Amino acid sequence: EAGVVQSPRYKIIEKKQPVAFWCNPISGHNTLYWYRQNLGQGPELLIRYENEEAVDDSQLPKDRFSAERLKGVDSTLKIQPAELGDSAVYLCASSPAGGYHEQYFGPGTRLTVT
Amino acid sequence: QKEVEQNSGPLSVPEGAIASLNCTYSDRGSQSFFWYRQYSGKSPELIMSIYSNGDKEDGRFTAQLNKASQYVSLLIRDSQPSDSATYLCAVRHNTDKLIFGTGTRLQVFP
Repeated sequence: EAGVVQSPRYKIIEKKQPVAFWCNPISGHNTLYWYRQNLGQGPELLIRYENEEAVDDSQLPKDRFSAERLKGVDSTLKIQPAELGDSAVYLCASSPAGGYHEQYFGPGTRLTVT
Repeated sequence: QKEVEQNSGPLSVPEGAIASLNCTYSDRGSQSFFWYRQYSGKSPELIMSIYSNGDKEDGRFTAQLNKASQYVSLLIRDSQPSDSATYLCAVRHNTDKLIFGTGTRLQVFP
Protein backbone atom coordinates (compact mmCIF):
# COMPACT_ATOMS: atom_id res chain seq x y z
CA GLU A 1 0.00 0.00 0.00
CA ALA A 2 1.41 3.39 -0.98
CA GLY A 3 1.96 5.86 1.82
CA VAL A 4 1.20 9.55 2.02
CA VAL A 5 2.89 11.41 -0.81
CA GLN A 6 4.09 15.00 -0.50
CA SER A 7 5.84 17.38 -2.81
CA PRO A 8 8.14 19.14 -3.02
CA ARG A 9 10.48 17.62 -0.45
CA TYR A 10 12.49 20.81 -0.09
CA LYS A 11 11.75 24.43 -0.88
CA ILE A 12 13.86 27.55 -0.43
CA ILE A 13 12.21 30.90 -1.03
CA GLU A 14 12.76 34.52 -0.16
CA LYS A 15 10.49 36.19 2.33
CA LYS A 16 7.31 37.72 0.92
CA GLN A 17 7.20 35.08 -1.84
CA PRO A 18 4.34 32.60 -2.10
CA VAL A 19 4.79 28.85 -1.69
CA ALA A 20 2.53 25.83 -2.05
CA PHE A 21 2.74 22.28 -0.78
CA TRP A 22 0.87 19.29 -2.17
CA CYS A 23 -0.30 16.13 -0.44
CA ASN A 24 -1.87 12.89 -1.64
CA PRO A 25 -3.16 10.77 1.26
CA ILE A 26 -3.26 7.01 1.60
CA SER A 27 -5.95 5.59 -0.64
CA GLY A 28 -9.26 5.36 1.17
CA HIS A 29 -8.28 7.68 4.00
CA ASN A 30 -11.02 10.28 4.42
CA THR A 31 -9.22 12.42 6.96
CA LEU A 32 -6.26 14.57 6.04
CA TYR A 33 -4.13 16.71 8.32
CA TRP A 34 -1.53 19.40 7.79
CA TYR A 35 1.03 19.84 10.55
CA ARG A 36 3.98 22.14 11.04
CA GLN A 37 7.04 20.92 12.90
CA ASN A 38 9.69 23.29 14.13
CA LEU A 39 13.15 22.07 15.06
CA GLY A 40 13.15 20.27 18.40
CA GLN A 41 9.37 20.36 18.68
CA GLY A 42 6.55 17.95 18.03
CA PRO A 43 4.22 18.44 15.07
CA GLU A 44 1.46 21.03 15.57
CA LEU A 45 -1.83 20.76 13.76
CA LEU A 46 -2.64 23.47 11.24
CA ILE A 47 -5.81 22.08 9.70
CA ARG A 48 -7.85 18.87 9.55
CA TYR A 49 -10.14 17.81 6.71
CA GLU A 50 -12.92 15.27 6.79
CA ASN A 51 -13.40 14.61 3.08
CA GLU A 52 -13.70 18.09 1.56
CA GLU A 53 -14.68 19.85 4.78
CA ALA A 54 -12.18 21.65 6.99
CA VAL A 55 -13.39 20.60 10.44
CA ASP A 56 -10.58 22.13 12.49
CA ASP A 57 -8.62 25.11 11.21
CA SER A 58 -8.31 26.93 14.51
CA GLN A 59 -4.50 26.85 14.40
CA LEU A 60 -4.17 27.98 10.78
CA PRO A 61 -2.85 31.57 10.49
CA LYS A 62 -5.54 32.66 8.13
CA ASP A 63 -3.99 35.98 7.20
CA ARG A 64 -1.32 34.23 5.17
CA PHE A 65 -2.11 30.52 5.09
CA SER A 66 -4.79 28.83 3.05
CA ALA A 67 -5.62 25.23 2.28
CA GLU A 68 -7.95 23.33 0.06
CA ARG A 69 -8.94 19.75 -0.51
CA LEU A 70 -10.89 19.55 -3.70
CA LYS A 71 -12.79 16.30 -4.37
CA GLY A 72 -11.81 15.03 -0.93
CA VAL A 73 -8.49 13.49 -2.00
CA ASP A 74 -5.44 15.65 -2.72
CA SER A 75 -4.78 18.76 -0.70
CA THR A 76 -2.75 21.91 -1.14
CA LEU A 77 -1.43 24.19 1.59
CA LYS A 78 -0.37 27.68 0.56
CA ILE A 79 1.53 30.45 2.28
CA GLN A 80 1.38 33.97 0.87
CA PRO A 81 3.44 35.91 1.67
CA ALA A 82 6.01 33.79 3.47
CA GLU A 83 7.83 35.13 6.52
CA LEU A 84 11.14 34.09 8.04
CA GLY A 85 9.30 32.41 10.92
CA ASP A 86 7.53 30.08 8.51
CA SER A 87 10.72 28.06 8.07
CA ALA A 88 9.79 24.59 9.28
CA VAL A 89 8.86 21.13 8.07
CA TYR A 90 5.29 20.87 6.81
CA LEU A 91 3.86 17.43 7.30
CA CYS A 92 0.77 15.91 5.81
CA ALA A 93 -0.91 12.94 7.51
CA SER A 94 -3.98 10.87 6.84
CA SER A 95 -6.22 8.46 8.74
CA PRO A 96 -9.16 6.24 7.81
CA ALA A 97 -11.75 8.41 9.54
CA GLY A 98 -11.75 11.15 12.12
CA GLY A 99 -9.35 11.78 14.96
CA TYR A 100 -10.07 8.43 16.53
CA HIS A 101 -7.78 6.54 14.25
CA GLU A 102 -4.07 6.25 13.85
CA GLN A 103 -2.48 8.91 11.69
CA TYR A 104 0.20 8.17 9.11
CA PHE A 105 2.62 10.85 8.02
CA GLY A 106 4.11 11.68 4.67
CA PRO A 107 7.81 12.53 4.25
CA GLY A 108 7.22 16.25 4.75
CA THR A 109 8.35 19.41 2.98
CA ARG A 110 11.26 21.27 4.49
CA LEU A 111 10.69 25.00 3.90
CA THR A 112 13.46 27.53 4.29
CA VAL A 113 12.54 31.20 4.04
CA THR A 114 15.52 33.53 3.56
CA GLN B 1 1.83 23.20 32.15
CA LYS B 2 2.31 21.64 28.73
CA GLU B 3 -0.47 19.36 27.56
CA VAL B 4 1.95 16.52 26.79
CA GLU B 5 5.30 16.42 28.53
CA GLN B 6 8.36 14.36 27.75
CA ASN B 7 11.93 14.50 28.94
CA SER B 8 13.96 15.74 25.97
CA GLY B 9 16.90 13.49 26.81
CA PRO B 10 19.13 12.25 25.44
CA LEU B 11 18.47 8.92 27.05
CA SER B 12 21.55 6.77 26.53
CA VAL B 13 21.34 2.99 26.93
CA PRO B 14 23.73 0.21 25.96
CA GLU B 15 22.86 -2.21 23.21
CA GLY B 16 20.70 -5.04 24.54
CA ALA B 17 19.31 -3.04 27.46
CA ILE B 18 15.73 -1.92 28.06
CA ALA B 19 14.97 1.67 27.15
CA SER B 20 12.14 3.29 29.09
CA LEU B 21 10.50 6.40 27.65
CA ASN B 22 7.93 8.34 29.64
CA CYS B 23 5.17 10.79 28.90
CA THR B 24 2.62 12.63 31.04
CA TYR B 25 -0.48 14.46 29.84
CA SER B 26 -2.81 17.02 31.34
CA ASP B 27 -6.20 16.30 29.77
CA ARG B 28 -7.95 13.72 31.94
CA GLY B 29 -10.48 13.06 29.20
CA SER B 30 -7.87 11.81 26.73
CA GLN B 31 -8.68 8.38 25.36
CA SER B 32 -6.09 7.50 22.74
CA PHE B 33 -2.33 7.48 23.03
CA PHE B 34 0.35 6.96 20.42
CA TRP B 35 4.08 6.58 20.16
CA TYR B 36 5.88 7.75 17.05
CA ARG B 37 9.53 7.24 16.16
CA GLN B 38 11.29 9.98 14.22
CA TYR B 39 14.73 9.52 12.76
CA SER B 40 16.75 12.66 12.15
CA GLY B 41 15.56 14.39 8.99
CA LYS B 42 12.62 12.01 8.57
CA SER B 43 8.93 12.20 9.34
CA PRO B 44 7.23 10.56 12.37
CA GLU B 45 6.50 6.84 12.03
CA LEU B 46 3.74 5.28 14.10
CA ILE B 47 5.02 2.40 16.21
CA MET B 48 2.40 1.87 18.94
CA SER B 49 -1.10 2.88 19.90
CA ILE B 50 -2.81 2.18 23.22
CA TYR B 51 -6.35 2.91 24.33
CA SER B 52 -6.89 0.98 27.58
CA ASN B 53 -5.13 0.91 30.92
CA GLY B 54 -2.40 -1.68 31.17
CA ASP B 55 0.25 -3.00 28.84
CA LYS B 56 0.25 -3.59 25.11
CA GLU B 57 3.09 -5.53 23.55
CA ASP B 58 4.24 -5.58 19.94
CA GLY B 59 7.54 -7.33 19.33
CA ARG B 60 10.26 -5.58 21.29
CA PHE B 61 7.94 -2.67 22.13
CA THR B 62 5.58 -2.43 25.10
CA ALA B 63 3.31 0.53 25.69
CA GLN B 64 1.98 1.09 29.19
CA LEU B 65 -0.95 3.31 30.09
CA ASN B 66 -2.14 4.53 33.49
CA LYS B 67 -5.04 6.93 33.03
CA ALA B 68 -5.41 7.58 36.75
CA SER B 69 -1.84 8.88 36.87
CA GLN B 70 -2.11 10.42 33.38
CA TYR B 71 1.01 8.59 32.37
CA VAL B 72 2.01 6.60 29.31
CA SER B 73 5.32 4.91 28.68
CA LEU B 74 7.14 2.97 26.00
CA LEU B 75 9.57 0.18 26.78
CA ILE B 76 12.00 -1.04 24.14
CA ARG B 77 13.54 -4.41 24.97
CA ASP B 78 16.88 -5.56 23.58
CA SER B 79 17.63 -2.04 22.35
CA GLN B 80 19.57 -1.82 19.11
CA PRO B 81 21.64 1.05 17.67
CA SER B 82 18.97 1.26 14.95
CA ASP B 83 16.48 2.28 17.67
CA SER B 84 18.40 5.53 18.12
CA ALA B 85 15.86 8.21 17.25
CA THR B 86 13.49 10.72 18.80
CA TYR B 87 10.33 9.18 20.24
CA LEU B 88 7.23 11.34 20.18
CA CYS B 89 4.31 10.76 22.52
CA ALA B 90 0.96 11.86 21.11
CA VAL B 91 -2.36 12.14 22.94
CA ARG B 92 -5.75 12.54 21.35
CA HIS B 93 -7.32 15.57 22.93
CA ASN B 94 -11.00 15.67 23.81
CA THR B 95 -11.48 17.86 20.72
CA ASP B 96 -10.15 14.99 18.57
CA LYS B 97 -6.93 16.92 18.03
CA LEU B 98 -3.69 14.96 18.37
CA ILE B 99 -1.30 16.75 20.73
CA PHE B 100 2.38 15.84 20.50
CA GLY B 101 5.09 16.10 23.08
CA THR B 102 8.47 17.52 22.14
CA GLY B 103 10.00 14.05 22.02
CA THR B 104 12.72 12.14 23.84
CA ARG B 105 15.96 11.50 22.02
CA LEU B 106 17.18 7.93 22.52
CA GLN B 107 20.77 6.92 21.92
CA VAL B 108 21.68 3.23 21.91
CA PHE B 109 25.41 2.68 22.00
CA PRO B 110 27.20 -0.57 21.03
